[in-house]
Amino acid sequence: DVKVTQSSRYLVKRTGEKVFLECVQDMDHENMFWYRQDPGLGLRLIYFSYDVKMKEKGDIPEGYSVSREKKERFSLILESASTNQTSMYLCASTTTGNYGYTFGSGTRLTVV
Amino acid sequence: QKEVEQNSGPLSVPEGAIASLNCTYSDRGSQSFFWYRQYSGKSPELIMSIYSNGDKEDGRFTAQLNKASQYVSLLIRDSQPSDSATYLCAVNTAWGSGNTGKLIFGQGTTLQVKP
Repeated sequence: DVKVTQSSRYLVKRTGEKVFLECVQDMDHENMFWYRQDPGLGLRLIYFSYDVKMKEKGDIPEGYSVSREKKERFSLILESASTNQTSMYLCASTTTGNYGYTFGSGTRLTVV
Repeated sequence: QKEVEQNSGPLSVPEGAIASLNCTYSDRGSQSFFWYRQYSGKSPELIMSIYSNGDKEDGRFTAQLNKASQYVSLLIRDSQPSDSATYLCAVNTAWGSGNTGKLIFGQGTTLQVKP
């Protein structure tokens, strides 16, 4: 069974901390994505990557960075966590073409 | 700005009825269309994909695509309380060598199936 695995299901961090959210896929997908999902705002794209070491900004990249050193792993970094980054974070991957995403189970991050 | 629009609902139907969920999109060049189901607190799960005009059936689910009118719909027959969830419509507007598979999502429609 193909999988996208997010390292943490729930995470609580303090304001100002540097936060790493990890995502690993075992499907040899080229493309990986990070979204955040908030009530009433839907899914918003933060960053995506279409190849190792390649990244593209999404709609809301401010306050975030990403790293993709290996094809299977795509990390989201909150440089200095703030309370407005409290959200559900979803990682997804897909192969190039028209096949739709496979999502990870999500990380619910609370910044206090 | 490429957009995907859905009525947020909630759409309430009695158990056993047909639920009809609709989605419109703005980019006439869109190539592929997807429906995701998302239970509260969970991540989205792909339930249907459709690429050409017409109907595509999978069990109790039927996806319908009309590219001329730029809408895609999802019908759920014999709705069950377990179908209560938010349904997200997603569209891939890219094509050719530039197709990274990136999707544009609608806001989702909440479906409530009442016993």
